[in-house]
Amino acid sequence: DSGVTQTPKHLITATGQRVTLRCSPRSGDLSVYWYQQSLDQGLQFLIQYYNGEERAKGNILERFSAQQFPDLHSELNLSSLELGDSALYFCASSEQPTGLANYGYTFGSGTRLTVV
Amino acid sequence: AQSVTQLDSHVSVSEGTPVLLRCNYSSSYSPSLFWYVQHPNKGLQLLLKYTSAATLVKGINGFEAEFKKSETSFHLTKPSAHMSDAAEYFCVVSRLNYGGSQGNLIFGKGTKLSVKP
Repeated sequence: DSGVTQTPKHLITATGQRVTLRCSPRSGDLSVYWYQQSLDQGLQFLIQYYNGEERAKGNILERFSAQQFPDLHSELNLSSLELGDSALYFCASSEQPTGLANYGYTFGSGTRLTVV
Repeated sequence: AQSVTQLDSHVSVSEGTPVLLRCNYSSSYSPSLFWYVQHPNKGLQLLLKYTSAATLVKGINGFEAEFKKSETSFHLTKPSAHMSDAAEYFCVVSRLNYGGSQGNLIFGKGTKLSVKP
């Protein structure tokens, strides 16, 4: 157990639907990162939050949004789902207080999203 | 700007033989470097990290990596492969400053390690 908790582990939904993925970072970690991993695109950075504020934005579609709450857990919302959104979505957290990455990240075990 | 190149997309070894997964990096500063492992349908697990202390870094499961500044390399090695080592391995470099659209960690494309009995 890495200390980063992601729920649910698996999600199957239909095209056009909306889902919410949840992430609880390791205790004390202020930064949360979301990544998408698919067979054709590899590992893609989506977005970073640091202590409740958006810090960096990657290849995140407009149909996707995220937020980090006061208790530091984060949610990734995916809407108007398409078949191509099927992927493994990872959350990671970082202990580094500045939000930088020199200490590395701790990854959760991911949510596998299947859009049918 | 920082970047990382994993020189092999696929490496196949026999059980009990040494493992070498190659990684070259590019950085204008002394970077932090990491190796992560991902077993099939699992999350990414940190194997080891270099953060400007000892150049030979020991990680979990018998893996180690050597930071060679002159060669800009951070190759991952293990003396004797085990069947359970079969996985995908990612070499990663950290940005010195906030990474913008690429994030703070730059991932290599991964090397898939197969271990034959």
